[in-house]
Amino acid sequence: DTEVTQTPKHLVMGMTNKKSLKCEQHMGHRAMYWYKQKAKKPPELMFVYSYEKLSINESVPSRFSPECPNSSLLNLHLHALQPEDSALYLCASSQGNRETQYFGPGTRLLVL
Amino acid sequence: AQSVAQPEDQVNVAEGNPLTVKCTYSVSGNPYLFWYVQYPNRGLQFLLKYITGDNLVKGSYGFEAEFNKSQTSFHLKKPSALVSDSALYFCAVRALSGSARQLTFGSGTQLTVLP
Repeated sequence: DTEVTQTPKHLVMGMTNKKSLKCEQHMGHRAMYWYKQKAKKPPELMFVYSYEKLSINESVPSRFSPECPNSSLLNLHLHALQPEDSALYLCASSQGNRETQYFGPGTRLLVL
Repeated sequence: AQSVAQPEDQVNVAEGNPLTVKCTYSVSGNPYLFWYVQYPNRGLQFLLKYITGDNLVKGSYGFEAEFNKSQTSFHLKKPSALVSDSALYFCAVRALSGSARQLTFGSGTQLTVLP
């Protein structure tokens, strides 16, 4: 089973709202990732968690705040987003940070 | 620095014909190569990977890819295309060793299989 789940599937928020994206995997993977993807473009890495610790932050604005409560869960907290933050947000996981990454279906975010 | 080039933004092929989606890469040392497929409004789905060994790698849904070290290429192929293969395809690379621990994706190739 190589399933990564993400909720919600769609999210519409105003620029003053606070919302959270959730990602879950039960494959025992120890690395988890957040990506941002614009239409017809490759995913852009945002954050990497390895063994529940943040190991990579690709200079992401502070209005995006990741959290890894345990080895199966990954959250992305959103606050005061801008319209240009509208995108598909993908979560991925891998056994280790050198292994194949498996992606979730994504959350389609629209910031108004 | 590592990089991936997918020289074709769009590939059109007739159903039943063979398809090829091209990918070339640049990386220090030995590469770890991947192909992913993305259907509309979906996440990326892993198709196949190359680490070491046989240069011809077989993956999901009848896809295969050929690793060519001298040409630094990893082209995706399928002997007989299906309309359902129409999707966005991404090639990705990472170095097997060294500090570049994360994936670098190509720009993507939109494959359209015509009935």
